[in-house]
Amino acid sequence: SAVISQKPSRDICQRGTSLTIQCQVDSQVTMMFWYRQQPGQSLTLIATANQGSEATYESGFVIDKFPISRPNLTFSTLTVSNMSPEDSSIYLCSVEAGRGRASDYGYTFGSGTRLTVV
Amino acid sequence: DAKTTQPPSMDCAEGRAANLPCNHSTISGNEYVYWYRQIHSQGPQYIIHGLKNNETNEMASLIITEDRKSSTLILPHATLRDTAVYYCIVRSDSNAGGTSYGKLTFGQGTILTVHP
Repeated sequence: SAVISQKPSRDICQRGTSLTIQCQVDSQVTMMFWYRQQPGQSLTLIATANQGSEATYESGFVIDKFPISRPNLTFSTLTVSNMSPEDSSIYLCSVEAGRGRASDYGYTFGSGTRLTVV
Repeated sequence: DAKTTQPPSMDCAEGRAANLPCNHSTISGNEYVYWYRQIHSQGPQYIIHGLKNNETNEMASLIITEDRKSSTLILPHATLRDTAVYYCIVRSDSNAGGTSYGKLTFGQGTILTVHP
């Protein structure tokens, strides 16, 4: 299955600033997914990124706050913009290798970026 | 998206089988059931998935009822390292820009504590 490298692993940021999180996959994948996990909570899907098209956002998440880039089939970034303490969470990327391969291997998750906004 | 219901917590003695139930009564005919676990401060780890038939791999077994409205994850010989949050997920079909894909919607999961 795919191996994901996510950077940074953690960061402490000042409110009002922005942070860009990188997700690198060791193989080409069709879809990449970005999740948020607030303290003590489950994972919530933010958006789905397909190479060459605009990301699809879930209800409650907007592009101005969480812009996403997907320049190629192995890389994506998520930016958390104009941060506030409420944005303190773990942000994770995940990949689906493709319809057929996803049935074989499941979905792989990165180790996450632990963000603290002060 | 089909929702799942799991007990918030369970205990299991080390060496015994851990049986984690999940209710997914609104599942559609072509939706898969996935199980993941998350150990503190790590990304979710894939365990197993299935559609209709029971499945087994080196980590666990998945028992899906005939009507597909519920399932049970079985860890045959639980160890202390199996202490984690276990998520039962129904993968729903979605489409973005003409590309179909599966979307995972996480519920609250079950906190499994394995004790000596």
